[in-house]
Amino acid sequence: SQTIHQWPATLVQPVGSPLSLECTVEGTSNPNLYWYRQAAGRGLQLLFYSVGIGQISSEVPQNLSASRPQDRQFILSSKKLLLSDSGFYLCAWSVSLMDSLNEKLFFGSGTQLSVL
Amino acid sequence: SQQGEEDPQALSIQEGENATMNCSYKTSINNLQWYRQNSGRGLVHLILIRSNEREKHSGRLRVTLDTSKKSSSLLITASRAADTASYFCATANQAGTALIFGKGTTLSVSS
Repeated sequence: SQTIHQWPATLVQPVGSPLSLECTVEGTSNPNLYWYRQAAGRGLQLLFYSVGIGQISSEVPQNLSASRPQDRQFILSSKKLLLSDSGFYLCAWSVSLMDSLNEKLFFGSGTQLSVL
Repeated sequence: SQQGEEDPQALSIQEGENATMNCSYKTSINNLQWYRQNSGRGLVHLILIRSNEREKHSGRLRVTLDTSKKSSSLLITASRAADTASYFCATANQAGTALIFGKGTTLSVSS
């Protein structure tokens, strides 16, 4: 069966420090991978998605970047964190793109990032 | 960009009561999905309804879809305290590359 791992679960970082969040998927090949951010009490904002190694699409211009160095690994990074980067970061995967009739997302357990 | 909008934002009910949440969306869809999120956790897929379906059931969940009104509803029957969570509707973005979520309905079920 497929599983998705996301770490760390919580992170407290000072403003201006770098960030690296990692997500890996097991039990499937060539998944589509996604990073979402959820501000406190709000909905999910799509940040990045990837359909393959080295292929990253950015949805929102911001202080973050994403990379996919391996088929089942998705990394969210920042060189210098801002206060506004605080939030709950969720990684997700799907078998194929969302324009198919039955495609759905499988989410990791999330990382709560607090930038102080 | 926001595709789905849930209503109400918050809902408080007693155990045993039914809970109804609504979702409106803006563009044409292939399907509409509902997800659940327990506090501090990732989202879990609940149910998917295709654009050519009007109603779908899964256990105590009933989802309806009205494409003419661009709206959907999620009904949880005989609610339990364990149903306490946030519920989100989601549809694909226009490019069909990712899901766009609404802001969610926070459901509190008290015993």
